[in-house]
Amino acid sequence: DAGVTQSPTHLIKTRGQHVTLRCSPISGHKSVSWYQQVLGQGPQFIFQYYEKEERGRGNFPDRFSARQFPNYSSELNVNALLLGDSALYLCASSLEASSSSTDTQYFGPGTRLTVL
Amino acid sequence: KQEVTQIPAALSVPEGENLVLNCSFTDSAIYNLQWFRQDPGKGLTSLLLIQSSQREQTSGRLNASLDKSSGRSTLYIAASQPGDSATYLCAVKAAGNKLTFGGGTRVLVKP
Repeated sequence: DAGVTQSPTHLIKTRGQHVTLRCSPISGHKSVSWYQQVLGQGPQFIFQYYEKEERGRGNFPDRFSARQFPNYSSELNVNALLLGDSALYLCASSLEASSSSTDTQYFGPGTRLTVL
Repeated sequence: KQEVTQIPAALSVPEGENLVLNCSFTDSAIYNLQWFRQDPGKGLTSLLLIQSSQREQTSGRLNASLDKSSGRSTLYIAASQPGDSATYLCAVKAAGNKLTFGGGTRVLVKP
């Protein structure tokens, strides 16, 4: 079975532009989460979606938005890009969005975004 | 607010030595704790998941312990190899279903 897939692998944008990142979860997983990882730091939680509804939001500005589609894939959108948005964007999928101690998140390879 | 800290930030050991990586968290109300490995520029690979009711978890040369009351976890890697060189991240899952990560420990195993 394929793992979590993300596209594109790399992306270069200029300040002020908009970007859309895509994620396909593991087959059968209904929950997708997005994380931002700035170089040299641990990932920071951005969003969690389950059954097309937002279940959690991290401390990010409104320039960041996301959605989940009926097939459980997800898009992360970032408007008015800033230099500080340069990071590795990670998508993770899990079976549910529960508080179960065994509900594991599986991560994709990430999209490397560079803002010039 | 949950905060996760990993010390040291970087570690260099000769091949064959055992590795000891530390993770501490401020709020003991967690559902589980995971250890991940990350190679440069790559995504995260889950190594071990310890449920809040467990004290330790083992997989091959890896052993992770959890002391929830003191807010600490330790990852032991026995007989380190150059292929173990990577960044190791710990993350806790708490209310809100999100993972809160530490900053990672960058490990270099020298042949």
